[in-house]
Amino acid sequence: GQQVMQIPQYQHVQEGEDFTTYCNSSTTLSNIQWYKQRPGGHPVFLIQLVKSGEVKKQKRLTFQFGEAKKNSSLHITATQTTDVGTYFCAGPQDDSWGKLQFGAGTQVVVTP
Amino acid sequence: DAMVIQNPRYQVTQFGKPVTLSCSQTLNHNVMYWYQQKSSQAPKLLFHYYDKDFNNEADTPDNFQSRRPNTSFCFLDIRSPGLGDAAMYLCATSHTVLGANVLTFGAGSRLTVL
Repeated sequence: GQQVMQIPQYQHVQEGEDFTTYCNSSTTLSNIQWYKQRPGGHPVFLIQLVKSGEVKKQKRLTFQFGEAKKNSSLHITATQTTDVGTYFCAGPQDDSWGKLQFGAGTQVVVTP
Repeated sequence: DAMVIQNPRYQVTQFGKPVTLSCSQTLNHNVMYWYQQKSSQAPKLLFHYYDKDFNNEADTPDNFQSRRPNTSFCFLDIRSPGLGDAAMYLCATSHTVLGANVLTFGAGSRLTVL
């Protein structure tokens, strides 16, 4: 069945550094979404990518959808302590309307 | 203002004692979901409603049931909680953006089983 994989599982970052987390799907996706979950919180929608090769920016966060629409990345520039949390990518599950397949998430820890 | 509200936020129950978690939404979204999330794991879909149509995931245990009496409310019933059911239970609703479903999650109900 369809799989959505994220790497790395954990990311320790020094404040001010950049890092990238990657999401890979075993199947072509019509769209990909990114969510952020703060420690003790709930997932919050960040962004959706739909077009092949699409790049979107939210302040220090840059999201990219691969040309083949099977992978995506999230790049954070100049990491701040407010970036702490787990970042999940999610794609439509096996063409089932309304269902998302979540990746395992990248847990980000920021060291001041 | 919270748009997907879950109650209770924390629930402690004894092994085998039934539990009901509730979810309400003010978004008028027609799709509602229940996810189970264990520590350091991704949310796992238990079931979802498209309007009144109930959709159960194949691997959701029979121990878990759900009710949606109207558009605004949805309930998760755990008939006989086991230790393995201790988790965060997340309710979500969805709306369509550019043909895709974007989820709005509630704050979650954390279940402890003693």
